[in-house]
Amino acid sequence: NAGVTQTPKFHILKTGQSMTLQCAQDMNHGYMSWYRQDPGMGLRLIYYSAAAGTTDKEVPNGYNVSRLNTEDFPLRLVSAAPSQTSVYLCASRLQGANFGQFFGPGTRLTVL
Amino acid sequence: DQQVKQNSPSLSVQEGRISILNCDYTNSMFDYFLWYKKYPAEGPTFLISISSIKDKNEDGRFTVFLNKSAKHLSLHIVPSQPGDSAVYFCAASSTSNDYKLSFGAGTTVTVRA
Repeated sequence: NAGVTQTPKFHILKTGQSMTLQCAQDMNHGYMSWYRQDPGMGLRLIYYSAAAGTTDKEVPNGYNVSRLNTEDFPLRLVSAAPSQTSVYLCASRLQGANFGQFFGPGTRLTVL
Repeated sequence: DQQVKQNSPSLSVQEGRISILNCDYTNSMFDYFLWYKKYPAEGPTFLISISSIKDKNEDGRFTVFLNKSAKHLSLHIVPSQPGDSAVYFCAASSTSNDYKLSFGAGTTVTVRA
């Protein structure tokens, strides 16, 4: 199993541009999440999906997701802002399971 | 509103000694607590967890203690090894909130040879 994979690893955007961060898992996990990691802030939940076809957001606008199937959970930055400069981490787990999540390696995004 | 707090941003410890990482939480609905370890340029990996019905869980060199009345948990690493140098995140979840994780800010542990 590849686990949770994320692409790209690094990217630089200009303010106002849009971008999709890719996330895929091959463990047949129902539950997937996106976090951002910022210095001194820990990991903050942005979006999550309990199953294919369902999504729910945790933070205000600026992001969008889709969950068309079990494997993929792309995160879209609609119109990038410098405040969205961060490391973005995707995670998955079995639905209802309470033994933590599996994380991808992250995407380091810089918005100029 | 940070519901999980790790008040020590960093910890330096000598190899072979004990590392103690602390975590406080404010939400009394949290009923499951986890520690994650993160190396640079990698995603966090699960380390150890504890349910609110227990006060201690041990896995090899790692032990987590939970004090529910104080809303406090700690991670003990004994003995500390150079490979333990990483960022450690405390996380908490609630059955009533579909196990969504709330994370602390992290503690960077450096193990000195």
